[in-house]
Amino acid sequence: AQSVTQLDSQVPVFEEAPVELRCNYSSSVSVYLFWYVQYPNQGLQLLLKYLSGSTLVKGINGFEAEFNKSQTSFHLRKPSVHISDTAEYFCAVSMNSGGYQKVTFGTGTKLQVIP
Amino acid sequence: ETGVTQSPTHLIKTRGQQVTLRCSSQSGHNTVSWYQQALGQGPQFIFQYYREEENGRGNFPPRFSGLQFPNYSSELNVNALELDDSALYLCASSFPGNSYNEQFFGPGTRLTVL
Repeated sequence: AQSVTQLDSQVPVFEEAPVELRCNYSSSVSVYLFWYVQYPNQGLQLLLKYLSGSTLVKGINGFEAEFNKSQTSFHLRKPSVHISDTAEYFCAVSMNSGGYQKVTFGTGTKLQVIP
Repeated sequence: ETGVTQSPTHLIKTRGQQVTLRCSSQSGHNTVSWYQQALGQGPQFIFQYYREEENGRGNFPPRFSGLQFPNYSSELNVNALELDDSALYLCASSFPGNSYNEQFFGPGTRLTVL
């Protein structure tokens, strides 16, 4: 069975500082990986995705993530955060499960940007 | 291009009642998934519909059921509501040929069960 672990439930960081949000997954087969962002009282919005090819993927709002197959990780990074980045971030993995692509989400990391 | 829409935005029910939540998928999308997001948790997969048939289901009891219509809109029905059913219910659609199942989410319906 696939699972996703987000190691930090909350990450406080000062404005303009770098941030890394960690994500590890477990799966015995190839997967596709996603990061979504959720602002208060809203649905989820895709930040970036890894499907194949280059292990460093760039997304919206200056975020990027690196796929590491040997460590089964897909950590999200941003070199300089803004107040507007305060939100909850979810890592997700998609894999074939009995004929359909099942998407499993982590429990989320709340990023709090401190002015 | 219209995104995924859900109705209602908020709903209050009492234990034992039944509820129907609605979702209109993004234009051109033919697959719809429903998720339950309890407070402080990530979205939990309920089920997925493709061409009006359920083709995947998570660990939810049969009192959670759904429908997909020919226009690809969808309903989530929950019978015999329990207090633990209080959550944000998210609908997500994906487009044909999307082999990796990138999900496009609606804003959600906040269900409160008293």
